[in-house]
Amino acid sequence: AQSVTQLDSQVPVFEEAPVELRCNYSSSVSVYLFWYVQYPNQGLQLLLKYLSGSTLVKGINGFEAEFNKSQTSFHFRKPSVHISDTAEYFCAVGTYGAQKLVFGQGTRLTINP
Amino acid sequence: EAGVVQSPRYKIIEKKQPVAFWCNPISGHNTLYWYLQNLGQGPELLIRYENEEAVDDSQLPKDRFSAERLKGVDSTLKIQPAELGDSAVYLCASSLSGQETQYFGPGTRLLVL
Repeated sequence: AQSVTQLDSQVPVFEEAPVELRCNYSSSVSVYLFWYVQYPNQGLQLLLKYLSGSTLVKGINGFEAEFNKSQTSFHFRKPSVHISDTAEYFCAVGTYGAQKLVFGQGTRLTINP
Repeated sequence: EAGVVQSPRYKIIEKKQPVAFWCNPISGHNTLYWYLQNLGQGPELLIRYENEEAVDDSQLPKDRFSAERLKGVDSTLKIQPAELGDSAVYLCASSLSGQETQYFGPGTRLLVL
C-alpha cells in the first residue's frame, strides 16, 4: 500500500520569499505523483504532476516540484510567493494501473505581507 | 470545457436524515471517483466507477452509504441515515479511462446537526 507524508502541516512565509513544501511517499512499486491546491471552500486544482521522464516538473506561476526516487520525495517549490498563494496544498501518490490516489494530510501555506 | 459539477454545494441536515449528493463529470470521462475529505485532512477514496461499474468500493461504508452511476455519466452518493461524524466535504473527481490525472469538482460541504 502507498502512503504520503507531508512533513509540515503549516508553513508561514513572507510575501516574495521562497517556499518549499515537503512531501515523502512510501511505495513498493513505481509511482506517479501530484500536487494539488485547495482554496477555501473550493475543490482541488491540479498544479503539478510527475508521471515519467524529467524529474523536475514545472507549472504555471513559477511552481515546480522535483521527484527524487532514492529519497522517495516530491518536494514543491516556488522562488517567490504572493498573497494569492495562500491555500492548502496536497501531495498525492498513485500507482500505475490502480488509478487510486492516496493523499497527504495537506500543508497550509500562509503568506504574510 | 466545463469542469466537474457537483450539487448542492452546501447541505445542513439533522442526524438520522437521508442526504444525497450529485456529480456530473467532465464530458467523455468514463472514470468517476467519490472522495471524503474530513476537516484538516486529505481526501480519501470512497468509490471508483468505470462507466456504470463500481470497480473499487472497498472504502465505502456500505451500512449507510450507497452510490450509483446508472447510465455511466452522472453519479449520486447517498447517506442514510446520516450521523454526526459524516460532517465533511464530499468531493467528486473524474478522469479519462486509464489516465492518471484526476480532475476535481468543488465539493459538497455537509453539516450534520
